[in-house]
Amino acid sequence: DAGITQSPRHKVTETGTPVTLRCHQTENHRYMYWYRQDPGHGLRLIHYSYGVKDTDKGEVSDGYSVSRSKTEDFLLTLESATSSQTSVYFCAISVDTFANTGELFFGEGSRLTVL
Amino acid sequence: EDKVVQSPLSLVVHEGDTVTLNCSYEVTNFRSLLWYKQEKKAPTFLFMLTSSGIEKKSGRLSSILDKKELFSILNITATQTGDSAIYLCAVESTQGAQKLVFGQGTRLTINP
Repeated sequence: DAGITQSPRHKVTETGTPVTLRCHQTENHRYMYWYRQDPGHGLRLIHYSYGVKDTDKGEVSDGYSVSRSKTEDFLLTLESATSSQTSVYFCAISVDTFANTGELFFGEGSRLTVL
Repeated sequence: EDKVVQSPLSLVVHEGDTVTLNCSYEVTNFRSLLWYKQEKKAPTFLFMLTSSGIEKKSGRLSSILDKKELFSILNITATQTGDSAIYLCAVESTQGAQKLVFGQGTRLTINP
């Protein structure tokens, strides 16, 4: 079974500070995703990756950047955090090792609070 | 713009009841509809539906898709307190999972 570890699991920060969330997978899956979940909005895609150094924007990418220098790690960076970025962030991988099917396996989430 | 609407947004029932959760959608170039269950933390996959009229079943849960009327239902029979969760519906277009669109979710509470 695929394993995903997100870190940190909880973070409180102040407006204007940079924040990086890390997603680590153990099974060499090609496709990785970052979502945010907010009340009333369900899950919304921020960015996704289809390979090392290959990333693209999702529905709500403004204010976020990502990097994938190794297959197993997908980083989400908030260059200058704002209160509107207070949310729960989920990393996910496509269960199919090489294809980007809708069957996703999610990490446990990272709760970010921006004061 | 692709869109998924779930109803009801919240539902409270007693243990043993049967519930039906609804998901209607609009999507360009439909590939699949998926259901996820979210308890305290990560969503977990339940079903993927691609063809109309074919029921997917897992224990007390079942789901069916109507591609003509653009909706799906998730049924849970003989509910248990462990079924309490948020149930998420998502649709995928032929562009792939990067275009997966989720609904707001239905929060289901099962009271003993």
